[in-house]
Amino acid sequence: DADVTQTPRNRITKTGKRIMLECSQTKGHDRMYWYRQDPGLGLQLIYYSFDVKDINKGEISDGYSVSRQAQAKFSLSLESAIPNQTALYFCATSHSDTDTQYFGPGTRLTVL
Amino acid sequence: GEDVEQSLFLSVREGDSSVINCTYTDSSSTYLYWYKQEPGAGLQLLTYIFSNMDMKQDQRLTVLLNKKDKHLSLRIADTQTGDSAIYFCAENTGGFKTIFGAGTRLFVKA
Repeated sequence: DADVTQTPRNRITKTGKRIMLECSQTKGHDRMYWYRQDPGLGLQLIYYSFDVKDINKGEISDGYSVSRQAQAKFSLSLESAIPNQTALYFCATSHSDTDTQYFGPGTRLTVL
Repeated sequence: GEDVEQSLFLSVREGDSSVINCTYTDSSSTYLYWYKQEPGAGLQLLTYIFSNMDMKQDQRLTVLLNKKDKHLSLRIADTQTGDSAIYFCAENTGGFKTIFGAGTRLFVKA
């Protein structure tokens, strides 16, 4: 299902570098989310956005920032990457009517 | 606080039924979900159930909800090797917030 796309799919970077992960959706949903997945810990919510002008912090927003450039685009930035930000990152979207979330394929980020 | 718990591993033989269990703490849940994650892929919505339902069946999948015990289960009939994946239980507590369990890794032995 290519309705939610993420770029890049894989990224290796060094400590201190600035990284941007991008997410685009063609589902027409108003809500978008960024999650982080670590083994055995499920999904942790980083940031979420209800619409272009509404951005909210999730459970683990420290060290991350986001930008909602348009209804269809939501990017996640790591201003100065550190090794414990090595994880799998997922973007998701939902419609405000049901809030059922649809996920992108994920970005595997490694910080050396 | 809100929490969703599920066992980390389940192993079954091909052709048998798999039952993946989940417990949650928030009694105000409106929707409960099962997602499937295959290696290298994102989470794919398998099915969901409204909190006012006890059971939902969709082909080989049966979801049972016991609201009194806050217990959700996913039964996969005639489990195939292609069902090997991580299965996530999740609850929506109203509004935007969806809480995910840590995932159950299903191994299917041929």
